[in-house]
Amino acid sequence: GAVVSQHPSWVICKSGTSVKIECRSLDFQATTMFWYRQFPKQSLMLMATSNEGSKATYEQGVEKDKFLINHASLTLSTLTVTSAHPEDSSFYICSARETGAGTEAFFGQGTRLTVV
Amino acid sequence: LAKTTQPISMDSYEGQEVNITCSHNNIATNDYITWYQQFPSQGPRFIIQGYKTKVTNEVASLFIPADRKSSTLSLPRVSLSDTAVYYCLVGDMEQNFVFGPGTRLSVLP
Repeated sequence: GAVVSQHPSWVICKSGTSVKIECRSLDFQATTMFWYRQFPKQSLMLMATSNEGSKATYEQGVEKDKFLINHASLTLSTLTVTSAHPEDSSFYICSARETGAGTEAFFGQGTRLTVV
Repeated sequence: LAKTTQPISMDSYEGQEVNITCSHNNIATNDYITWYQQFPSQGPRFIIQGYKTKVTNEVASLFIPADRKSSTLSLPRVSLSDTAVYYCLVGDMEQNFVFGPGTRLSVLP
């Protein structure tokens, strides 16, 4: 199947700093990518839908100024956690659907963010 | 978006067949049913997808009755490595995937 790659796999940062997470579709083009957050023992929570060349659509309760999403090309979306705090520590996962090729979504391996 | 209901957890033994049923009473005409598997600290992995009747691949089978209000994921002869959380999702090409709590499957030796 298609491959979605996230980078980095894990990151530790200090409170107040910003962290960027990349999500790449390696062998297909993705007009739309999705960003999720997952806390321990919980399900994935959709944060935002990222559309290539336009502004992301954020779910209710997700601060768009804190979680900056950029989808500049058909194979790359980035999530930047700005002014990170310990409560932002979580597992962040992206997914992508191949443009015009069905309903299956492919997920990245996830990024473990720890804010100290 | 169609809401799904699954058992929170299931236990099984190695070598047994495991069937996980998902209810989706308000599934729409254009909706597909997709199942994902997730191991700890990994992204979800696609298992199988179907629209109606039965779909089978090298990993699992998916049974969907005529009214499509439920579906059953069947894992033949599970092993310890099948211990994971299994998610049932319903949606069409235009929708994002909203995850429910999933079913935590524990395979015992």
